[in-house]
Amino acid sequence: IAGITQAPTSQILAAGRRMTLRCTQDMRHNAMYWYRQDLGLGLRLIHYSNTAGTTGKGEVPDGYSVSRANTDDFPLTLASAVPSQTSVYFCASSASGGQGNHEQYFGPGTRLTVT
Amino acid sequence: GQNIDQPTEMTATEGAIVQINCTYQTSGFNGLFWYQQHAGEAPTFLSYNVLDGLEEKGRFSSFLSRSKGYSYLLLKELQMKDSASYLCAVMDSNYQLIWGAGTKLIIKP
Repeated sequence: IAGITQAPTSQILAAGRRMTLRCTQDMRHNAMYWYRQDLGLGLRLIHYSNTAGTTGKGEVPDGYSVSRANTDDFPLTLASAVPSQTSVYFCASSASGGQGNHEQYFGPGTRLTVT
Repeated sequence: GQNIDQPTEMTATEGAIVQINCTYQTSGFNGLFWYQQHAGEAPTFLSYNVLDGLEEKGRFSSFLSRSKGYSYLLLKELQMKDSASYLCAVMDSNYQLIWGAGTKLIIKP
């Protein structure tokens, strides 16, 4: 693995189903993030984690949950998918979640369609 | 509320120079980032400004005026591969990035 990976690449999901999007990084970054990107809108933060064992809510957390059991993995779960969760989901990581030029490195994204 | 404004779309000619503007109103300021995103791909980091002034990095430069809540990204000697969306993002008082909707740059030969 080099950098940050996401799985699956794309998924079509029936409304009401549960889904976990996977994200793994091998850069030993402390901070990780989940964003959704919708046409005409900027990236919106769903949840974040500044270090293993801690998580926080972003701008649009409703309907999503995360966990950070270790440094490398940061899965995003949709407990009961709804059509408004159709989007492209990006996972990102940075060396730190605090002050400074902590550029974020992005995974390739997961394109999710909820029908 | 927090707001990042940038033009939706711009067109420029190969070999020319283009300036993409970004204005922001956020709760606190801990730096401004520019990212490039090609269609269907992930955003990639271009620049970071936290102090006023111009930062130059090859063909790309980024400028910041904190008092005006304004930044621009300057791209010189445009190449066809520069066709992409350019995303402006501000780190707010909680160290979270607030993103603009992006500017789609179309390069014509």
